[in-house]
Amino acid sequence: QKEVEQNSGPLSVPEGAIASLNCTYSDRGSQSFFWYRQYSGKSPELIMSIYSNGDKEDGRFTAQLNKASQYVSLLIRDSQPSDSATYLCAVNHNTGGFKTIFGAGTRLFVKA
Amino acid sequence: NAGVTQTPKFQVLKTGQSMTLQCAQDMNHNSMYWYRQDPGMGLRLIYYSASEGTTDKGEVPNGYNVSRLNKREFSLRLESAAPSQTSVYFCASSEGLAGGHETQYFGPGTRLLVL
Repeated sequence: QKEVEQNSGPLSVPEGAIASLNCTYSDRGSQSFFWYRQYSGKSPELIMSIYSNGDKEDGRFTAQLNKASQYVSLLIRDSQPSDSATYLCAVNHNTGGFKTIFGAGTRLFVKA
Repeated sequence: NAGVTQTPKFQVLKTGQSMTLQCAQDMNHNSMYWYRQDPGMGLRLIYYSASEGTTDKGEVPNGYNVSRLNKREFSLRLESAAPSQTSVYFCASSEGLAGGHETQYFGPGTRLLVL
C-alpha cells in the first residue's frame, strides 16, 4: 500500500462546476497536510494547508480533513480552465524524524 | 526576492559522467531539500538539510551526494550518472524542518537526461 494515494485521473469537469480531489494516507502519526498545484513543466506551488479535522476555506478552494478516516480532500468551486493542472497531496509527520510523502498527483482538466 | 533558484534548467549527460546541480534560496530558510520527480511516482526525497552544516538521507539517496555550502546554497552531485537518474530534480526550502506545519517552497526544476 502506498503511503499517500491519489486517483491519477484525469478528472474532467466543465467550467463552473465543482472539482473534488481526494487523497488517503496510511500513517496515523501524520500531522499536517498540503495541497500543491503543478502546471505542466512547472514546479509545485502551495494551494492549501490543513492541520485539524474539518474544513478550511480559501477563496474558491476548500480543504477537508478527516484523521479518523485518514482522508484529505480538496474542493475547487466554480472551476476555471486555468485550474487545469496536476494536484499533489503531501503529508508531513515528524515521528522518528522528518518525513514528507507526496502522492503521485491527480490530473484535472476543466473544459471551457 | 527570487525565492528558490536552480541551475542548470536542462542537462544532457552520458552514462558515467558527473555533474552538480546548484540550488540557492534568498528567503533565509533553515531547511533545504532535493527531490526527484518521475512520471506516475510523485516527488521522492533524495537528501535534505535541516540546518546549515547538517545533511541527511531521504527516500532515494543512492547515487547522489549533497553539500550544504552555507545557509543559502544546497548542491546535489551525481558522481557517475546512470540512465535511471533521468528525471526532473526539484530543490525546495522551508523556514524550519518540514516535519510539522512547515511549508516547502520549490525551485523551477532541472530536467536531466542521462543517455
